[in-house]
Amino acid sequence: TQLLEQSPQFLSIQEGENLTVYCNSSSVFSSLQWYRQEPGEGPVLLVTVVTGGEVKKLKRLTFQFGDARKDSSLHITAAQPGDTGLYLCAGPPNFGNEKLTFGTGTRLTIIP
Amino acid sequence: DSGVTQTPKHLITATGQRVTLRCSPRSGDLSVYWYQQSLDQGLQFLIQYYNGEERAKGNILERFSAQQFPDLHSELNLSSLELGDSALYFCASSDSGANVLTFGAGSRLTVL
Repeated sequence: TQLLEQSPQFLSIQEGENLTVYCNSSSVFSSLQWYRQEPGEGPVLLVTVVTGGEVKKLKRLTFQFGDARKDSSLHITAAQPGDTGLYLCAGPPNFGNEKLTFGTGTRLTIIP
Repeated sequence: DSGVTQTPKHLITATGQRVTLRCSPRSGDLSVYWYQQSLDQGLQFLIQYYNGEERAKGNILERFSAQQFPDLHSELNLSSLELGDSALYFCASSDSGANVLTFGAGSRLTVL
């Protein structure tokens, strides 16, 4: 059983469109992180959200942590080909646990 | 360059063989994590070391072992290899107490 389920699994959209991907769990997380992984590379941290209800913006990317700290979303405005990649959410499933559990991932393709 | 160095980048071997993957963490990071990424299983946590000692264990097979040396580099040993062991193996490092991981570029293992 995956602790973190991401949806959709695959998403292919045209450049300039908006999109939202989701990360859901039945467990409470002390924090959640979002990573982007490009082909041939390791995941790179984009953001960490810590407080329930928190919203963080990173240029065209908006990250939200659910009020109950069980889910998170990533919204991309005016998607660009450079946004293409595998988006992974991750979090420590138990408070004080240093082991990060990763979600199943959303593979995003932006078509020029 | 993330600062985490993994070697080799690619490795092709036969079933039943043994391989060693090497990781040098980012300067100053005491924790090293190993993850396995395959197409159908996502990013799976294998094991974590902190300053030379095993800190957490995930879904690591008995055929696999790891260690962290006094200079903080780590090695992941995979033995009696099976076709299903073909995957990307990532090493990540972090500061003490931080859940923020910096990943290497990975080692792609192909077992024929």
